[in-house]
Parts: sequence; structure tokens; C-alpha cells
Amino acid sequence: NAGVTQTPKFQVLKTGQSMTLQCAQDMNHEYMSWYRQDPGMGLRLIHYSVGAGITDQGEVPNGYNVSRSTTEDFPLRLLSAAPSQTSVYFCASRSTDRTDTQYFGPGTRLTVL
Amino acid sequence: ILNVEQSPQSLHVQEGDSTNFTCSFPSSNFYALHWYRWETAKSPEALFVMTLNGDEKKKGRISATLNTKEGYSYLYIKGSQPEDSATYLCASRGQNFVFGPGTRLSVLP
Repeated sequence: NAGVTQTPKFQVLKTGQSMTLQCAQDMNHEYMSWYRQDPGMGLRLIHYSVGAGITDQGEVPNGYNVSRSTTEDFPLRLLSAAPSQTSVYFCASRSTDRTDTQYFGPGTRLTVL
Repeated sequence: ILNVEQSPQSLHVQEGDSTNFTCSFPSSNFYALHWYRWETAKSPEALFVMTLNGDEKKKGRISATLNTKEGYSYLYIKGSQPEDSATYLCASRGQNFVFGPGTRLSVLP
């Protein structure tokens, strides 16, 4: 049981490049989400999904796309990277039992030059 | 968007000291309040999930209380140890989570 996995761990992009951050969970959680973490700020929600085929925008969705074709995978796509997207990105999934616990992946540190 | 605040932003305590910090959140439409412990270079780990007014949860030397009517939660650490050094996040859970900025705790040996 790997929990929530993310790849890559580190990435450097040039302005205008596109890339996909991968996230997968093996806990059969319906709810998955992407956050970004910037210095001095809390985790901010980018996009989330309540199940396969369903996605919705969070607080800071601009410049990012997501899809949820399977329960396990929730990739985050940067369409045209900008320096403002330099951040640490965390994927999370949440149990739907009474514990309501959210589990985080190890994070992806992205630098956009 | 909910506004979740935490104070202090950071604090330094000596090993053995007890400490506490605050999370404040909008009390309307409250569903649950989560506390996380976030060590440097790791990902946040869940500490407590609190739902009922007056809830008190405990895990070892760490405990938390919840007041949903006035919109605050306290996290207490008794007899701080260097391994308690981390950022402590709270998050208010509605449809989604809204996180506070965290309190960074440093415990000096």
C-alpha cells in the first residue's frame, strides 16, 4: 500500500513549456485534490475531484488543467508555465469513512525560469 | 472563500516547555476542523479531526480543543521535545479544505 505517490519530485521548466505532474493513490479514495504551497501562505487548492469523470476548480485554478479518468490517477497539467507557478505542489486524497482523513503525497518542487 | 488564521506565525521554545497555538475559522456552516503536522521536506500528516463543539482530542503529549460557536481551536503540546519541531497546520473542512498559514514551532534542546 503506497498511499499517495507523486512524480516527479523536482522539475525545472522554462517559461512557456508545458508539463504534467502525476499523482496516484491506491486507497480507493473518491476525493482527490491538488494544492500549491508558497512561502508564508497556507496550502491553496488548485483543482479537486470527487470521483472519476468529475473535476472542479479550487481557489487558484488559472493556468492548470486536470482530468480524472480513473479513481487512482489525478494528473495536473501546466499548459504554459509561468514564473508565478514556481511552487511546491501537493496531491492529496481523502477517505470517505468517518475519519475523514486527508493523505498527502510527497510533493513536487517546480521551478519555472 | 473561508478565511482560516493561525497564531503565532512562529515560536521558539525550550525543550520541556509546554506551548499552545491558535486556529480561528468562520463559525458559520462549520463541518470539521483538521490539524496537521508538517515536518520540513516531508508532506503534511493528519493529527486530529474535530467535529463537535467542545471536542477534545489527545495523542501522546499533543492535544487539541474545539469551539465551533466562536470559531477557534487550540493545539497544546506538553513538555516539548526537539522532534516536535514542525509546522502545525489547521484546515477548516467544508466541501473542500481551507488551510491556515501554519504555526512554525522550533524546540531548542
